[in-house]
Amino acid sequence: EVQLLESGGGLVQPGGSLRLSCAASGFTFSSYAMSWVRQAPGKGLEWVSAISGSGGSTYYADSVKGRFTISRDNSKNTLYLQMNSLRAEDTAVYYCAKASVSSITMIVVVSDYWGQGTLVTVSS
Amino acid sequence: DIQMTQSPSSVSASVGDRVTITCRASQGISSWLAWYQQKPGKAPKLLIYAASSLQSGVPSRFSGSGSGTDFTLTISSLQPEDFATYYCQQANSFPPTFGQGTKLEIK
Repeated sequence: EVQLLESGGGLVQPGGSLRLSCAASGFTFSSYAMSWVRQAPGKGLEWVSAISGSGGSTYYADSVKGRFTISRDNSKNTLYLQMNSLRAEDTAVYYCAKASVSSITMIVVVSDYWGQGTLVTVSS
Repeated sequence: DIQMTQSPSSVSASVGDRVTITCRASQGISSWLAWYQQKPGKAPKLLIYAASSLQSGVPSRFSGSGSGTDFTLTISSLQPEDFATYYCQQANSFPPTFGQGTKLEIK
């Protein structure tokens, strides 16, 4: 059974940092691209970042480029999102999501499994 | 960036009704479109990929169609568990973008 478990969310002041983690199980982690998608309270879905299965390719939304860094440790089956210089508008539930098709190099952004989400609140 | 526009933003319907939701892309995306269902407090669930392919385990009352810029999600006979918010997502180019959502409510 595929499982994705996010952690690391919480309350942080504007300008602060947080590192989100997503522990994966039930599939060959290194064979799948992974994404982070967020949802502000009462709002729609916003794609944030994605990384290839090998970790060699990454993409970011313009809204987070230069502030967030996606990475993965395939030996630990874990996805990360390092978030720096946080702003109030980064407040959201952050989901990690697994690509629906396996590929070590190509980044597939259609996601067939999602974690339960972790809430990040940026406020003073 | 490719803009995805869903219509309607909300719809009221009854159990047993047929419902169609539309998604329009600001430029052609071939068949690189997915549909998700989201219930309150839950993660999105993939329903349709490649515009018309039904994800494993999703009931056959859900169907998708379209290519290029215009797409539809149809629920042939609404069930109580189908009342939720639906999102389209383009996967043609980065950044992948979502529609604003369509909330399906009970009439």
